[in-house]
Amino acid sequence: GAVVSQHPSWVICKSGTSVKIECRSLDFQATTMFWYRQFPKQSLMLMATSNEGSKATYEQGVEKDKFLINHASLTLSTLTVTSAHPEDSSFYICSARPTRYNEQFFGPGTRLTVL
Amino acid sequence: AQKVTQAQTEISVVEKEDVTLDCVYETRDTTYYLFWYKQPPSGELVFLIRRNSFDEQNEISGRYSWNFQKSTSSFNFTITASQVVDSAVYFCALRIYSKLTFGTGTRLQVTL
Repeated sequence: GAVVSQHPSWVICKSGTSVKIECRSLDFQATTMFWYRQFPKQSLMLMATSNEGSKATYEQGVEKDKFLINHASLTLSTLTVTSAHPEDSSFYICSARPTRYNEQFFGPGTRLTVL
Repeated sequence: AQKVTQAQTEISVVEKEDVTLDCVYETRDTTYYLFWYKQPPSGELVFLIRRNSFDEQNEISGRYSWNFQKSTSSFNFTITASQVVDSAVYFCALRIYSKLTFGTGTRLQVTL
């Protein structure tokens, strides 16, 4: 149980385009989902916390207009990187927290490369 | 604010050696959770252990053991008789309420 998927697992795009990454909780409902970014050989940094049906809460220094987060249902959150640039190339990992259970389950990550 | 420090950036050992990964945390909260995760080259985080702030009992799971000491704010991880498959990046993390803060990770390389 407690499986989280991400799609796509990797994506390559041209500079200036937008990319959408999906995070799904497959066998549980998640009121809250989290998005992390990990640059090569660095730690995971929390970007934002998304709650179903409400606006995401972004960490300091994360541009909310650039990283659009939508948590439209209890099993799906999406992260859209708008007008991507090479410096946005990173490994993006989501996690989901089941309703009424304070634990996070991580997805496998999405590797984004912006050319 | 909370902080997790993993002072060892990289460790290299020969198979069958024991290795300890250090983790020191900072928080003013009295209720918190500590975690260790393994990140193999594939990138997917593998959960290893969770420990709450009120449980200082050490734990052993096979070749893995964890030493939690509140007095020194440390939560160290020991792998006994290391194997090549243990090669990965290991992250220590601290959770307060819902927010999870990761250390910078320790890259472990186990060679034959």
